[in-house]
Amino acid sequence: AQSVAQPEDQVNVAEGNPLTVKCTYSVSGNPYLFWYVQYPNRGLQFLLKYITGDNLVKGSYGFEAEFNKSQTSFHLKKPSALVSDSALYFCAVRDTPQNAGNMLTFGGGTRLMVKP
Amino acid sequence: NAGVTQTPKFQVLKTGQSMTLQCAQDMNHEYMSWYRQDPGMGLRLIHYSVGAGITDQGEVPNGYNVSRSTTEDFPLRLLSAAPSQTSVYFCASRGQLNTEAFFGQGTRLTVV
Repeated sequence: AQSVAQPEDQVNVAEGNPLTVKCTYSVSGNPYLFWYVQYPNRGLQFLLKYITGDNLVKGSYGFEAEFNKSQTSFHLKKPSALVSDSALYFCAVRDTPQNAGNMLTFGGGTRLMVKP
Repeated sequence: NAGVTQTPKFQVLKTGQSMTLQCAQDMNHEYMSWYRQDPGMGLRLIHYSVGAGITDQGEVPNGYNVSRSTTEDFPLRLLSAAPSQTSVYFCASRGQLNTEAFFGQGTRLTVV
């Protein structure tokens, strides 16, 4: 079985400061890892993914994430936060598919609040 | 470029009523899925499909049915609505195995 944990319900950061949203995962094989963002009353928008290769992946809106296999983590980061980054962030994992039906498993979400 | 389209956006049902949430995608994606989003619980998989004519259960399938008669459409049916089904429902689709999923805008369902 696969699972994802986002240990923080909310992260508060001042505009211009760096931000980190934490994610840890559990899979039986090699993970495919994703970050999505949800703005109020909207669907989920894809930010970035790790499939294989470089452990540091860059995504949309200046976000990046670092894959750490030994710590089974995939933390989302941004060097300088914007007020417009305030939203709900979801980490998701999919195990290296042994069958075509392997779908995403999501963490509980972390609300990011960036204050001016 | 419509992507994944869900209808309706909002719905209020009485306990015991049935309804169908519609989902259509225009990207010729093989894989489609339904999730429900509840506070603090993230998104949980209800049902999914790996192609036309093939469906399977996810984590929380009870009270829901699906069918996949075409590649484009993947409707979710609530057979007899219950207050516990009050939630926001998202449909998603994706193509090859290593690609990201695309999500619809969601349907906010309230069962009274």
